[in-house]
Amino acid sequence: DTGVSQNPRHKITKRGQNVTFRCDPISEHNRLYWYRQTLGQGPEFLTYFQNEAQLEKSRLLSDRFSAERPKGSFSTLEIQRTEQGDSAMYLCASSLILASGINEQFFGPGTRLTVL
Amino acid sequence: DQQVKQNSPSLSVQEGRISILNCDYTNSMFDYFLWYKKYPAEGPTFLISISSIKDKNEDGRFTVFLNKSAKHLSLHIVPSQPGDSAVYFCAASAPGYALNFGKGTSLLVTP
Repeated sequence: DTGVSQNPRHKITKRGQNVTFRCDPISEHNRLYWYRQTLGQGPEFLTYFQNEAQLEKSRLLSDRFSAERPKGSFSTLEIQRTEQGDSAMYLCASSLILASGINEQFFGPGTRLTVL
Repeated sequence: DQQVKQNSPSLSVQEGRISILNCDYTNSMFDYFLWYKKYPAEGPTFLISISSIKDKNEDGRFTVFLNKSAKHLSLHIVPSQPGDSAVYFCAASAPGYALNFGKGTSLLVTP
């Protein structure tokens, strides 16, 4: 296992279209996170899963966004009716949460979305 | 509201000298702090972390210092190398919660 992978790496779409991104975490990791990063900002939390359960959603995650992790392995993030403001880098991270609370998150390369 | 702040957008250091990157936070519930390094068109790469029970953690050329009373942490890189040139993000979390990131500091190490 070489790390977190994300597909596609780049996506260009027209406003109003739906897009779906995929994240494959490090295999033994039980937590999976989605972040969004725009120019000049740090990554902003969107949502996370522990195994297949979605435990937290940020207020940034509008009702046009939905994420799933059906079998506790890979995850998908879908954006419906895309808007130009959705243009960003979408980052996935995974971690193995320990009883000590140590939660080092390892990031994938990201999917860059451009909405025209 | 920005709970993690990196007030220096950029820093330039000569090769071989020390780089010091600073980070301030506002949430007293944060107990775990991390530094990530990011190159263009790549995801952040984990560098080093520290929990609130410590005030220092060292890994090779990288040392993170935590001052809980001041809600401040810093990353020291010594000696700095040209390959260290990247954007560095400070992140913090409360127990069981997601990471909160600063806006990053762009480090340039010149030969």
